[in-house]
Amino acid sequence: QSVLTQPPSASGTPGQRVTISCSGSSSNIGSHTVNWYQQLPGTAPKLLIYNNNQRPSGVPDRFSGSKSGTSASLAISGLQSEDEADYYCAAWDDSLDRVFGGGTKLTVL
Amino acid sequence: QVQLQESGPGLVKPSQTLSLTCTVSGGSFSSGSYYWTWIRQPAGRGLEWIGRIFTSGSTNYNPSLKSRVTMSVDTSKNQFSLMLSSVTAADTAVYYCARGYSGYDWGLDYWGQGTLVTVSS
Repeated sequence: QSVLTQPPSASGTPGQRVTISCSGSSSNIGSHTVNWYQQLPGTAPKLLIYNNNQRPSGVPDRFSGSKSGTSASLAISGLQSEDEADYYCAAWDDSLDRVFGGGTKLTVL
Repeated sequence: QVQLQESGPGLVKPSQTLSLTCTVSGGSFSSGSYYWTWIRQPAGRGLEWIGRIFTSGSTNYNPSLKSRVTMSVDTSKNQFSLMLSSVTAADTAVYYCARGYSGYDWGLDYWGQGTLVTVSS
């Protein structure tokens, strides 16, 4: 059971906007910034969002992040077939532990 | 271009010690702007952080694994290593090494391809 809670699945059609939620507590998301990772099938995860809403160079601006209180969200606009992947949120916890969400499998219909 | 490559046995017997090494090429391995981390992923499941090490030798470990984990770093070889003792079948997973970067709020910007470690007799 993961410390951060994500819905196990999400879906959308091409061109649509989808959001993925990540719920934590005061000891992790409530006190620390959130990262998001994208894991395409059979590959290592890739950093999508850092510091709640910042994108590393090379990440399309279709991906955006937000945080409020003890929850965070990843939004993907203009959904494309290549966005089909697993998405993970992550944050530091006050125990000096890096915690992840259980992952959300995004299906592009 | 920064590259990370995991190496080590793909099969470990129960109760023995799992040992993996990550070799880093490109970039500045010893910079204080980075830390080096291990993460694992059991088949069909999510990511689990094992711990991190700075090239100063400072470490932080997942509290649930702390009693069994040791990480070390060899700056002369641009390598860092993981040792996990007393393994059981529950430790079977793909093990990734990755780099945390201060410029990305310590997000993990480079990853190895991952190596499958199976614990079985």
